[in-house]
Amino acid sequence: DTGVSQNPRHKITKRGQNVTFRCDPISEHNRLYWYRQTLGQGPEFLTYFQNEAQLEKSRLLSDRFSAERPKGSFSTLEIQRTEQGDSAMYLCASDSAGGKNQPQHFGDGTRLSIL
Amino acid sequence: DQQVKQNSPSLSVQEGRISILNCDYTNSMFDYFLWYKKYPAEGPTFLISISSIKDKNEDGRFTVFLNKSAKHLSLHIVPSQPGDSAVYFCAASVNNNDMRFGAGTRLTVKP
Repeated sequence: DTGVSQNPRHKITKRGQNVTFRCDPISEHNRLYWYRQTLGQGPEFLTYFQNEAQLEKSRLLSDRFSAERPKGSFSTLEIQRTEQGDSAMYLCASDSAGGKNQPQHFGDGTRLSIL
Repeated sequence: DQQVKQNSPSLSVQEGRISILNCDYTNSMFDYFLWYKKYPAEGPTFLISISSIKDKNEDGRFTVFLNKSAKHLSLHIVPSQPGDSAVYFCAASVNNNDMRFGAGTRLTVKP
């Protein structure tokens, strides 16, 4: 059973650097979500894709953040000019559109630490 | 805007007893509610869900209750086991979109 896979698991970088994370969803899922989670909080929605189309973006997603899903399979989340406040766990989830009331399945996340 | 709230950051129960985790929401348009369990260094794992047309859903030791008039959701675990110790997140969505999460409750089940 190949669940949602995220790489890298942990990223440490200096403030001002660019970082890119990758998410591979469950293969039969056509919807893919990115969330951010900080200590003591639940996941906060950032953006989601249905196939290759980015359908919604949260206002949390500043212009330093960009996400792509070029072939409707894996997705990348890039953060440019990282800031201290970007330190968080970035979670990816996937599910299938069309079926009513299906749970999202999460990966184990990428923990970003900004020095 | 905190549309989903879990007001108890932590809960401790004895093994074999019932664990009751609570969740309140403000958006009356939510029609799908879920509970996720999270262990350290892992992503949230789906546990159980309920549609707004129901008031109870049971899966083994886990039961979710929905009180729409009170905008309240609860998860009952009985009997509780040490392996249930984790952070539990309540989540809600409208038409399976725009899922909102509570801040989580850390459950500790003592042997």
